[in-house]
Amino acid sequence: AQSVAQPEDQVNVAEGNPLTVKCTYSVSGNPYLFWYVQYPNRGLQFLLKYITGDNLVKGSYGFEAEFNKSQTSFHLKKPSALVSDSALYFCAVRGYTGNQFYFGTGTSLTVIP
Amino acid sequence: KAGVTQTPRYLIKTRGQQVTLSCSPISGHRSVSWYQQTPGQGLQFLFEYFSETQRNKGNFPGRFSGRQFSNSRSEMNVSTLELGDSALYLCASSYSGGASDTQYFGPGTRLTVL
Repeated sequence: AQSVAQPEDQVNVAEGNPLTVKCTYSVSGNPYLFWYVQYPNRGLQFLLKYITGDNLVKGSYGFEAEFNKSQTSFHLKKPSALVSDSALYFCAVRGYTGNQFYFGTGTSLTVIP
Repeated sequence: KAGVTQTPRYLIKTRGQQVTLSCSPISGHRSVSWYQQTPGQGLQFLFEYFSETQRNKGNFPGRFSGRQFSNSRSEMNVSTLELGDSALYLCASSYSGGASDTQYFGPGTRLTVL
């Protein structure tokens, strides 16, 4: 079975500090991993994805994520948080055999000015 | 390119009624997926259509149905509405629906069932 876990419902970080939003996954075979962000009353916006290759993936708005196969993790990071980064973040996984996305429960990020 | 569009953006219905939601994918995208988002259950996959055929289906009752037209536009129908169907319904499109394809989401339709 495929699944995604986001262990933190809420993450608070001070503006200018680095931020990390955690994600671990379970999938048969090689995973395809995605991060999305959702602002209030909006749909999900794509940030980045890992398909293959370099473990460090760079995405939109200065975000990056590190794929760690041994720890089955795909944590989202940003070196310097902005107040405008405050939103709900979702990690998602797809196995290579299926098309369905499996989403985590989401992590609410608050960047404190 | 225009993004994924969903209509209507907001709907209020009463129990027992039925509702149809519409989704227009990004031009050239042939795969359309639907999701239900609620505070309690998070994002749950409803179904996926590709070339007018349902290719994947989530674990929802038969009251939830969908279809896709030859222009890739998709509709989702919910019959005999229940209070628990109140949710944000999200549509996402991708080029082929392949495992590595990125899904792009619309703004959603907020359905309230009274």
